[in-house]
Amino acid sequence: AQSVTQLGSHVSVSEGALVLLRCNYSSSVPPYLFWYVQYPNQGLQLLLKYTTGATLVKGINGFEAEFKKSETSFHLTKPSAHMSDAAEYFCAVSDMAGANNLFFGTGTRLTVIP
Amino acid sequence: DTAVSQTPKYLVTQMGNDKSIKCEQNLGHDTMYWYKQDSKKFLKIMFSYNNKELIINETVPNRFSPKSPDKAHLNLHINSLELGDSAVYFCASRGSPKITQYFGPGTRLLVL
Repeated sequence: AQSVTQLGSHVSVSEGALVLLRCNYSSSVPPYLFWYVQYPNQGLQLLLKYTTGATLVKGINGFEAEFKKSETSFHLTKPSAHMSDAAEYFCAVSDMAGANNLFFGTGTRLTVIP
Repeated sequence: DTAVSQTPKYLVTQMGNDKSIKCEQNLGHDTMYWYKQDSKKFLKIMFSYNNKELIINETVPNRFSPKSPDKAHLNLHINSLELGDSAVYFCASRGSPKITQYFGPGTRLLVL
């Protein structure tokens, strides 16, 4: 069975500081991993995904994530936080069965301090 | 052009009522999903559906039923609404064999 754990339900960073949001996964097969962002009162937008190949994945808005199999991690980073990055971030793993259902972590709320 | 749309955006209703939420995608995708986001922002899969198969999460009460009139629509019917059904419901779609799911804006359901 697939599952995801996000460490830290709330993360606060200063504007211009490094953003690090943590995600660890559990999967019985090589996983497909995703990061989605949810702005207030909006739907989910895909930031980036990992399927196979290069373990460092670049996404939109300057975010990137690195798949580390040995650590079963897929942490999300951004070198310099902007005020507009304030949102809820969800890590997810696909079950890779016929429907490719997504199993989400509990989310991390990112606050950016001016 | 909205890729995945849902109506209504907000839904306030009384316990015991029956309601429907509509979802439409114009991406030509063959698989659609319903997710529930609770008050703690936790997202959980409810259903996945393509033109061949409906997969139901075993934890979903049978008061919930998806109905697909055609490939572009997957509506969610809820019978005998309960207070605990209050949540945000998201529709999503995916085009096989690609794996990325595209989400709608959500429907905020409040049961009084």
